[in-house]
Amino acid sequence: KAGVTQTPRYLIKTRGQQVTLSCSPISGHRSVSWYQQTPGQGLQFLFEYFSETQRNKGNFPGRFSGRQFSNSRSEMNVSTLELGDSALYLCASSLGTSAYNEQFFGPGTRLTVL
Amino acid sequence: SQQGEEDPQALSIQEGENATMNCSYKTSINNLQWYRQNSGRGLVHLILIRSNEREKHSGRLRVTLDTSKKSSSLLITASRAADTASYFCATASGGSYIPTFGRGTSLIVHP
Repeated sequence: KAGVTQTPRYLIKTRGQQVTLSCSPISGHRSVSWYQQTPGQGLQFLFEYFSETQRNKGNFPGRFSGRQFSNSRSEMNVSTLELGDSALYLCASSLGTSAYNEQFFGPGTRLTVL
Repeated sequence: SQQGEEDPQALSIQEGENATMNCSYKTSINNLQWYRQNSGRGLVHLILIRSNEREKHSGRLRVTLDTSKKSSSLLITASRAADTASYFCATASGGSYIPTFGRGTSLIVHP
């Protein structure tokens, strides 16, 4: 089975712009979760989607949003980018809810905001 | 704030030695998972241990869970240079469906 893929792998944006990141889960996995990883804050949960519905949401501002399509592929969007949004964004898929199942992570998208 | 906190923050050992890292958490959990991350890449799942389990093994990995002390340990036996990575614990608390990761232990295994 193919693993979790994320595109793009690297992205450079400037403050105020918006960005869309994409994640394709492992075939058959219906849950997709997004995380932000920074040296200062570590790994922080953004949100989880299951069967096109947002199931859980972390403590992030409304500038961070996401969606999931009928084929389980997911996108996350960050609007009005700030310097502090520079991070590695990780997507993970699992068969069931992420809190109780093994998650399979993609390689991440490294976002740099200038 | 982090639910799980790994200790030590960094560990440096020689190939062939054992490596032990610990994870402490604050509230009761349903399960605890250990993940490995090689430099700047995605995480790889190692072991999931449920709250009613005390010990699990996977190859050279041994995980223990002590719910009375709210702690878990990950033991890597006969370490190899390829084990060099950051190791994270993730917990799911009783009433939450959000997995919470610690800040990780950075392990360096010298050849």
